Amino acid sequence: NAGVTQTPKFRILKIGQSMTLQCTQDMNHNYMYWYRQDPGMGLKLIYYSVGAGITDKGEVPNGYNVSRSTTEDFPLRLELAAPSQTSVYFCASKTTTGGTLSDSNQPQHFGDGTRLSIL
Amino acid sequence: GQQLNQSPQSMFIQEGEDVSMNCTSSSIFNTWLWYKQDPGEGPVLLIALYKAGELTSNGRLTAQFGITRKDSFLNISASIPSDVGIYFCAGHPLQAGSYQLTFGKGTKLSVIP
Repeated sequence: NAGVTQTPKFRILKIGQSMTLQCTQDMNHNYMYWYRQDPGMGLKLIYYSVGAGITDKGEVPNGYNVSRSTTEDFPLRLELAAPSQTSVYFCASKTTTGGTLSDSNQPQHFGDGTRLSIL
Repeated sequence: GQQLNQSPQSMFIQEGEDVSMNCTSSSIFNTWLWYKQDPGEGPVLLIALYKAGELTSNGRLTAQFGITRKDSFLNISASIPSDVGIYFCAGHPLQAGSYQLTFGKGTKLSVIP
């Protein structure tokens, strides 16, 4: 069981280039999230999805786009990379079904991150 | 948005010592989570708390959901070198719904052998 898998692990982009950060999970989780983590800061939510075909903005969505065509995959796209987007990006997922806990309060499970530098 | 105040920001302790860190909020949370992040990896869940007053242990780790629902603490007993890392508190604010977690800025723990 691989959990949440992110690719690539590292990437360097030039200003203005575009790229897609991949995230896939094999736990059949319906909720998926993208965060960015800047040095000395907690995680800030970029976008999230509550199921295939449904996405919504988080706290810092500007400069990013997402799609959720399948339950497993939740790619994050940078269209015009800017130096301010240099960060470590984490994908997470959670389930809201089953278990003895309140469905809505299940914890999120994180991938190992993608370290992105924009020069 | 919601703010979580996590303290201390960093700690240097001797191996074998106990550690305590906490998180506070100005608003009520209905879930508190504690994660640990090792260098180059994503956060890993340590303990989840769902009821005010709840006290939960995971090995040498103990965490509590404050009675006021506005705070939580994490204790680590008899620290060892592999405890090194960044510890994050996170929670679901009562008013924000279930989708989004609010994170503290983390407590960086260093253990001196």
